[in-house]
Amino acid sequence: AQSVAQPEDQVNVAEGNPLTVKCTYSVSGNPYLFWYVQYPNRGLQFLLKYITGDNLVKGSYGFEAEFNKSQTSFHLKKPSALVSDSALYFCAVRDIRSNDYKLSFGAGTTVTVRA
Amino acid sequence: DVKVTQSSRYLVKRTGEKVFLECVQDMDHENMFWYRQDPGLGLRLIYFSYDVKMKEKGDIPEGYSVSREKKERFSLILESASTNQTSMYLCASMASGRAADTQYFGPGTRLTVL
Repeated sequence: AQSVAQPEDQVNVAEGNPLTVKCTYSVSGNPYLFWYVQYPNRGLQFLLKYITGDNLVKGSYGFEAEFNKSQTSFHLKKPSALVSDSALYFCAVRDIRSNDYKLSFGAGTTVTVRA
Repeated sequence: DVKVTQSSRYLVKRTGEKVFLECVQDMDHENMFWYRQDPGLGLRLIYFSYDVKMKEKGDIPEGYSVSREKKERFSLILESASTNQTSMYLCASMASGRAADTQYFGPGTRLTVL
């Protein structure tokens, strides 16, 4: 079984401050991990992924995420948030051994960046 | 760039109607997925398909069926729509094999069943 937890429903930060969106996961084997972003009334847009290799992954729009196997976490970070980063963020996981390519998503975290 | 399109952005139907949601991808991907998105529940997988005419149930298939007659097109069917099927529906596609890691999503269809 595989699952994702996003412990915060909402994250509020001031523009220019660091932004962190938390994600923890559970899989039987090793994980593929993903972050997606959804702007209002839009589909999901891929941000970044961890497949293998360097634990620090860099993605679109200045976002990065760090894979921590011991803590089973994959937190999304941005050093300096912008008002335009306000959106709904989803973390997702797939077991690397899975043959059916099914992703499990967290419930989502709403990020609000105030000017 | 991968492009996934969905036939409607907004749809309003009445209880008991048959509803078709269409999804088309232009990247020759083998795998296609239908999710529904509800506040506080994230995305839940309804059905997926890994090849033409092939389909597999996801986590919440009840009340839905799918059709994949061509590789680029994956249809979600609500045989008799009910109010609890009011939701945002998202389609995704993904390659297979060594390139199989990222799912790409369409813009979504917001369905309201009255």
